[in-house]
Amino acid sequence: DAKTTQPNSMESNEEEPVHLPCNHSTISGTDYIHWYRQLPSQGPEYVIHGLTSNVNNRMASLAIAEDRKSSTLILHRATLRDAAVYYCILRDRGDDKIIFGKGTRLHILP
Amino acid sequence: DVKVTQSSRYLVKRTGEKVFLECVQDMDHENMFWYRQDPGLGLRLIYFSYDVKMKEKGDIPEGYSVSREKKERFSLILESASTNQTSMYLCASSAVVGYTFGSGTRLTVV
Repeated sequence: DAKTTQPNSMESNEEEPVHLPCNHSTISGTDYIHWYRQLPSQGPEYVIHGLTSNVNNRMASLAIAEDRKSSTLILHRATLRDAAVYYCILRDRGDDKIIFGKGTRLHILP
Repeated sequence: DVKVTQSSRYLVKRTGEKVFLECVQDMDHENMFWYRQDPGLGLRLIYFSYDVKMKEKGDIPEGYSVSREKKERFSLILESASTNQTSMYLCASSAVVGYTFGSGTRLTVV
């Protein structure tokens, strides 16, 4: 399975932007980059995904490096409710199975 | 709102009991998954299914089996529960875009 590397934890202040990095140097041409987050006492939830171009949705933005070896999840204005574990995952276009890594635990400071 | 429902939020069972964890989705998804989550180990894939009556082993299938008799229902079975199967169990179903997870069942085996 293609692997991703994320920092174990990050801190950010409330109402400021947050940039969560992810390295995936062994990404293949058919791998999509997916982000999920897991709030306390809940199952993970889908955040965003992309292949090559940057993507925006109501929850976040995804910036993908030109060589696709890294990506950044951007929360434009963090709130306390964004405190969660964020998982960066590579998902092959031909395989629905996804493997979760350890993720980044994001702490939001009031 | 689309949903994945796990039948129990908390469950306590005795060693040696046969345990059924039920998961139902209302999104007509083909693919369904069972994960367990443990501190320090993250989410690990137990079994998954791409269609009715089909099943595939994930990374840690030992001690578990599954049943998919209907498209909307995917059951995880612990044939003879042991204390090392005490964990949070998460069910998910998937569409083209991403997974939808249930809220989880916290199983304690005593």
